[in-house]
Amino acid sequence: NAGVTQTPKFQVLKTGQSMTLQCAQDMNHEYMSWYRQDPGMGLRLIHYSVGAGITDQGEVPNGYNVSRSTTEDFPLRLLSAAPSQTSVYFCASSYSVEGADTQYFGPGTRLTVL
Amino acid sequence: AQSVTQLGSHVSVSEGALVLLRCNYSSSVPPYLFWYVQYPNQGLQLLLKYTSAATLVKGINGFEAEFKKSETSFHLTKPSAHMSDAAEYFCAVSRGGSYIPTFGRGTSLIVHP
Repeated sequence: NAGVTQTPKFQVLKTGQSMTLQCAQDMNHEYMSWYRQDPGMGLRLIHYSVGAGITDQGEVPNGYNVSRSTTEDFPLRLLSAAPSQTSVYFCASSYSVEGADTQYFGPGTRLTVL
Repeated sequence: AQSVTQLGSHVSVSEGALVLLRCNYSSSVPPYLFWYVQYPNQGLQLLLKYTSAATLVKGINGFEAEFKKSETSFHLTKPSAHMSDAAEYFCAVSRGGSYIPTFGRGTSLIVHP
């Protein structure tokens, strides 16, 4: 199993550009989520999904869109990049929606918006 | 509602010394508690978790944590620090029926030779 994969690893954007961060898991996990990590802020939840076709907002959803058409994939779209979106983005998944389940994280995408 | 507080954004220890990373939680129902570790330029990985079985939980790499309900704490310890333990450590809380964990802000462990 590859686990949770994210592409790209690094990205530089100009203000106003759009892009999609890719996330895929091959563990047949039901729950997937996106976090951003900023210094001193820990992990903040952007969006999450409890299954194909079902998504919801987390703590900091503004400026981001998600969709989940398959169990495996959960892309994160930046609609119009802003410098405040400079961050490290992590995708995570877990087997079920039970709170005791372990979260499995991807390696992250480091995004810089100029 | 649930929340977690990690005391100390940075903890510095000498190699061979005791490691103690503090985590206090708030939850209206019995919680599930986790410690994750993040090595430089990597994603988070699970160290250990408490799911209402034994209150003393043993994890990977010699780490353990004790769930203390009376103190609402879940501190992470390791008897003897190793240079390879230098990393960012995150405490997280969730609960049955709420699959969305809440993460603390993280504690950076620095290990001096």
